[in-house]
Amino acid sequence: DAKTTQPPSMDCAEGRAANLPCNHSTISGNEYVYWYRQIHSQGPQYIIHGLKNNETNEMASLIITEDRKSSTLILPHATLRDTAVYYCIVRPFYNQGGKLIFGQGTELSVKP
Amino acid sequence: DTAVSQTPKYLVTQMGNDKSIKCEQNLGHDTMYWYKQDSKKFLKIMFSYNNKELIINETVPNRFSPKSPDKAHLNLHINSLELGDSAVYFCASSQDSSPGRSGYTFGSGTRLTVV
Repeated sequence: DAKTTQPPSMDCAEGRAANLPCNHSTISGNEYVYWYRQIHSQGPQYIIHGLKNNETNEMASLIITEDRKSSTLILPHATLRDTAVYYCIVRPFYNQGGKLIFGQGTELSVKP
Repeated sequence: DTAVSQTPKYLVTQMGNDKSIKCEQNLGHDTMYWYKQDSKKFLKIMFSYNNKELIINETVPNRFSPKSPDKAHLNLHINSLELGDSAVYFCASSQDSSPGRSGYTFGSGTRLTVV
């Protein structure tokens, strides 16, 4: 079972920041937070991951609370192409077999 | 240029048939996976292979048989197809069985419809 809880859906206006929350209250000390997204009919796409520090890349920023029990993915200027299902996943950085356990994700709709 | 490619993209077949889905990756990764996404959109791992060795078999019926001829290929053969096998099947790959920096790379999926 997934160890994360996300809202099933969110809306965001185009050009505004999209803030997607994720709860992972049972996260272990060796587990990272990963974010993936799945645009309709495509395979999931890696976005970002982090352990305890905030992370930023060309796609998004990841804010992890100090107690690591929750995190927020931020898309700073959402576009229509960011409409997708966003998955928050926790897993050890080194994991035999390397499987990802997907939850239900958050369906983000970016509207004009 | 395609990193993880699956064929076919669509597959419609009758119950009871046997079919195969092929997957190839040109990323030099040593671990490959099959995931299944059902009609409720849940993505669930089926198998993972590391350097042609089976690492994970997630209680998948033995009608499903993965085959990895080399570390760049992981094919999925399904015998005696059932209606419940209808789903989108995604192949993925990663470097080592501990994908870190860039995570997994997924293929674009094979939509299997059993009629």
